[in-house]
Amino acid sequence: ETGVTQTPRHLVMGMTNKKSLKCEQHLGHNAMYWYKQSAKKPLELMFVYNFKEQTENNSVPSRFSPECPNSSHLFLHLHTLQPEDSALYLCASSQDRANTGELFFGEGSRLTVL
Amino acid sequence: GENVEQHPSTLSVQEGDSAVIKCTYSDSASNYFPWYKQELGKRPQLIIDIRSNVGEKKDQRIAVTLNKTAKHFSLHITETQPEDSAVYFCAARSGGSYIPTFGRGTSLIVHP
Repeated sequence: ETGVTQTPRHLVMGMTNKKSLKCEQHLGHNAMYWYKQSAKKPLELMFVYNFKEQTENNSVPSRFSPECPNSSHLFLHLHTLQPEDSALYLCASSQDRANTGELFFGEGSRLTVL
Repeated sequence: GENVEQHPSTLSVQEGDSAVIKCTYSDSASNYFPWYKQELGKRPQLIIDIRSNVGEKKDQRIAVTLNKTAKHFSLHITETQPEDSAVYFCAARSGGSYIPTFGRGTSLIVHP
């Protein structure tokens, strides 16, 4: 157990649905990330939060909306997605001031958009 | 920003052979180079890393080398085993940022 937990592990949704992915870390880290993993782009950075402040938005469409209420929790709100958004969404955390900056990943949420 | 290129995209070896995965980076200010392993259906996990003040680091059957002048670094796996089969990602991180830039990954297949 790496201390980063994602729910749900699997999600199937229609294009008109609204759903959310949740990530929780118990490692005391201050930085949290959302990555999209697909066959075309193996590890595509989406958003980064540091001390609850968004520091990176990698040109992600507005149908993906992140929320970071505190340093331990990160959400990804999904609305009117497209079939090409089907992918594995990985959450990660790190300590930004650590010498290593090792990323600790969750198990991912497998999203299928019908 | 940083750009990391990784080769090959797929590598197939026989059990017992060595495997080498190579990465290049563009930002000369990058000073930290981790490698992550992602087994099928699992999360990526750090397996080894190297800093810019070191040329080589070894941990049992895996080693990483860094050539700062040429801006490339490599992962070496000796005596490969079927459980080494996974996708391996290299990354580079600049001293001015805590966010790593990942390569596109190498799918390593070790045939028994």
